[in-house]
Amino acid sequence: GQQVMQIPQYQHVQEGEDFTTYCNSSTTLSNIQWYKQRPGGHPVFLIQLVKSGEVKKQKRLTFQFGEAKKNSSLHITATQTTDVGTYFCAAWNSGNTPLVFGKGTRLSVIA
Amino acid sequence: GAVVSQHPSRVICKSGTSVKIECRSLDFQATTMFWYRQFPKQSLMLMATSNEGSKATYEQGVEKDKFLINHASLTLSTLTVTSAHPEDSSFYICSASGDYRLPTSGYTFGSGTRLTVV
Repeated sequence: GQQVMQIPQYQHVQEGEDFTTYCNSSTTLSNIQWYKQRPGGHPVFLIQLVKSGEVKKQKRLTFQFGEAKKNSSLHITATQTTDVGTYFCAAWNSGNTPLVFGKGTRLSVIA
Repeated sequence: GAVVSQHPSRVICKSGTSVKIECRSLDFQATTMFWYRQFPKQSLMLMATSNEGSKATYEQGVEKDKFLINHASLTLSTLTVTSAHPEDSSFYICSASGDYRLPTSGYTFGSGTRLTVV
């Protein structure tokens, strides 16, 4: 079945430093979604990317979808302690098919 | 926006008993619901897909007789962990799709249920 590989598994940064997590697939993805899960919480949808080469921004977060639609990245500029959590990429094919999640990147921010 | 309500949020049960977890779509009809399981510090693993009015489709390795899923209406799906054992302790999360208003594929997650079997 479809799989998405996500790296790194963990990332510890000083507050103010940048952070990037990467998601890769061996197959072309229909779209990719990004979620954030705070410690003890549930995944919260951040964004969906659909088009080849698409770039979307949400304040300090920048999301990219590769030209071949096989990889994606989430970049956070000048991290804050509120950014702490696990960031998951997730992909799906079409219709009411389930999301396939990457293993997630756990971000720790040291104040 | 679309809301999925999941109950209970936490449950502690004795080994050998059964626990029912409910997942409700509050303001839309969820034609499909998905049940995930998440172990500490790990990713979400899909357990099963349930479609309203039909039998759930279980992922490989998931015991259908142990994890009973019922999707009797367009707004409610239940997961029953039967004869629970300590190794069933985990975080269970449902998600639902079917709301055309959502800007995404329509996946909304419940808040999760933390099950502890003692």
